[in-house]
Amino acid sequence: GNSVTQMEGPVTLSEEAFLTINCTYTATGYPSLFWYVQYPGEGLQLLLKATKADDKGSNKGFEATYRKETTSFHLEKGSVQVSDSAVYFCALSGGPFGNEKLTFGTGTRLTIIP
Amino acid sequence: DTGVSQDPRHKITKRGQNVTFRCDPISEHNRLYWYRQTLGQGPEFLTYFQNEAQLEKSRLLSDRFSAERPKGSFSTLEIQRTEQGDSAMYLCASSLGTGSWELFFGEGSRLTVL
Repeated sequence: GNSVTQMEGPVTLSEEAFLTINCTYTATGYPSLFWYVQYPGEGLQLLLKATKADDKGSNKGFEATYRKETTSFHLEKGSVQVSDSAVYFCALSGGPFGNEKLTFGTGTRLTIIP
Repeated sequence: DTGVSQDPRHKITKRGQNVTFRCDPISEHNRLYWYRQTLGQGPEFLTYFQNEAQLEKSRLLSDRFSAERPKGSFSTLEIQRTEQGDSAMYLCASSLGTGSWELFFGEGSRLTVL
């Protein structure tokens, strides 16, 4: 079955540091890949997505590239801010349109120190 | 606020009691999903509806769990004869339907079974 392995946290960085959160997946077929973020006291929100190999998703300075050869979808940001402190979830969808059930990783808690 | 709303936000109950959670999706969203999240884990899929039709149920959804979406709008998730292992955050999400990538999540209903 489908599964997502995500870099364990928590991760603590200083403001303006470079961020990488690793995510690898196992899936049959050609899944779509997502990063969701949960800010304190809020529901999960879609951060970015990629629907096919070599696609790059980007939003709010974050980027992730769908690497089929390494089955990875690592999240990166060049310069983090205190406001980026949140829990980040990597997820995949087995459906053709992304609107099917999602399989999530365990989440990585990120704390940015001023 | 026109986001996904869930009620109650927190429910404390004794083992063996029944509980019901309600989810109001974003209006005009055809699909509605229920997930369960335990501490330190990512959300796990439970079930989803296309309008009023329940299209898929996870094996996690034992006979004690039942979900409905009677008029294709709000949904309820009932847990009968609660057990301590049912303690978790129950998340609801909605989406526009086929062709839509993004799930919009509510803030969740936290269940504590004593």
